[in-house]
Amino acid sequence: QKEVEQNSGPLSVPEGAIASLNCTYSDRGSQSFFWYRQYSGKSPELIMSIYSNGDKEDGRFTAQLNKASQYVSLLIRDSQPSDSATYLCAVTYNTDKLIFGTGTRLQVFP
Amino acid sequence: GAVVSQHPSWVICKSGTSVKIECRSLDFQATTMFWYRQFPKQSLMLMATSNEGSKATYEQGVEKDKFLINHASLTLSTLTVTSAHPEDSSFYICSASRGPNEQFFGPGTRLTVL
Repeated sequence: QKEVEQNSGPLSVPEGAIASLNCTYSDRGSQSFFWYRQYSGKSPELIMSIYSNGDKEDGRFTAQLNKASQYVSLLIRDSQPSDSATYLCAVTYNTDKLIFGTGTRLQVFP
Repeated sequence: GAVVSQHPSWVICKSGTSVKIECRSLDFQATTMFWYRQFPKQSLMLMATSNEGSKATYEQGVEKDKFLINHASLTLSTLTVTSAHPEDSSFYICSASRGPNEQFFGPGTRLTVL
């Protein structure tokens, strides 16, 4: 059973702080890793994808992948109230089938 | 580019009726389309994978006779929930793949079965 695990939260951070979201996965065969943001009642939107070990930065977002430890994280710098949402981690294996984690709810308070 | 639409965005139906949901890739041809279901406060669960011109592949525990998927063209897939019951009430989301690691989500369809 391939599993993706996240802390459900909520994770509360003040505006301007760094939010750190973590995700672990069970299958070492995982190939591609994604972070999605989902606002209440909306479908997910892709924030970051990462495929190799290390860091990948895009604006205020940094994804970090450690395949040896089987975890992937997302850092959000200078958090804004508009970042308040549920963040979903997803992984793929040999196909394009996405396996989603349960999501972490982030709350950024002014 | 890479826009995926779903229709309807929400639907309310009586128990026992069938409901059809359309998923369209508007500006690209989708090699594969996926159907997900999301219950309140839960994550997305993949229901089935759909390739144009072939039968859909269903995930374990998903009844293929209840959730009929038709992928008639490279831009259209439909999900029909047959004989819907209140427990089928959920948020149904499709995605369309343009290639490896290029999956784009539709806006979702909220189904409420009375």
